Amino acid sequence: GQQLNQSPQSMFIQEGEDVSMNCTSSSIFNTWLWYKQDPGEGPVLLIALYKAGELTSNGRLTAQFGITRKDSFLNISASIPSDVGIYFCAGQRETSGSRLTFGEGTQLTVNP
Amino acid sequence: GAVVSQHPSRVICKSGTSVKIECRSLDFQATTMFWYRQFPKQSLMLMATSNEGSKATYEQGVEKDKFLINHASLTLSTLTVTSAHPEDSSFYICSAYSSLAAYGYTFGSGTRLTVV
Repeated sequence: GQQLNQSPQSMFIQEGEDVSMNCTSSSIFNTWLWYKQDPGEGPVLLIALYKAGELTSNGRLTAQFGITRKDSFLNISASIPSDVGIYFCAGQRETSGSRLTFGEGTQLTVNP
Repeated sequence: GAVVSQHPSRVICKSGTSVKIECRSLDFQATTMFWYRQFPKQSLMLMATSNEGSKATYEQGVEKDKFLINHASLTLSTLTVTSAHPEDSSFYICSAYSSLAAYGYTFGSGTRLTVV
């Protein structure tokens, strides 16, 4: 089952607002990944994090690998309507080889 | 960037028949391929992990005789849903993994299976 707690489950925001979501776990992770999934499509990688404390940006997106290696957050600044979708965190646990563990997802709705 | 092609994107089949889903890494060699199942408004659930040339490792509760996985090359893996039933209807997604950081985990676009 899922071992990543992702929050919030859903967000309804106005265009232009900033968004923040996070994932936490009791397990240690070697890698944190953030994906976006549009309806009927596979997840698309947004940001990959490989080191504790790492802060990485991709345009309006910023993500950080927590110092404890048990959490990560994703921020989206100045949201636009095309940011709508489901955002998933995924982690590669220290004890699970190359298998990924996924969070439950955050459904983002952006009102124009 | 890394591209994974998954086919078909949608398939409707009759109950009792088998369906094969293909997953190809187009511009890199994948050491491992993963198969996921996703129900509406839920996260991805890992079904199995396969390495080229070896038997797939199935997650607990996934029937290996029901979901046959073949990983014949470093660029191709297939999932066959055998004797499909309506409860097998779901969204199936593959992911190809390369240890090279430039590729990492790349997902296919998914297959919507409907069993009638």
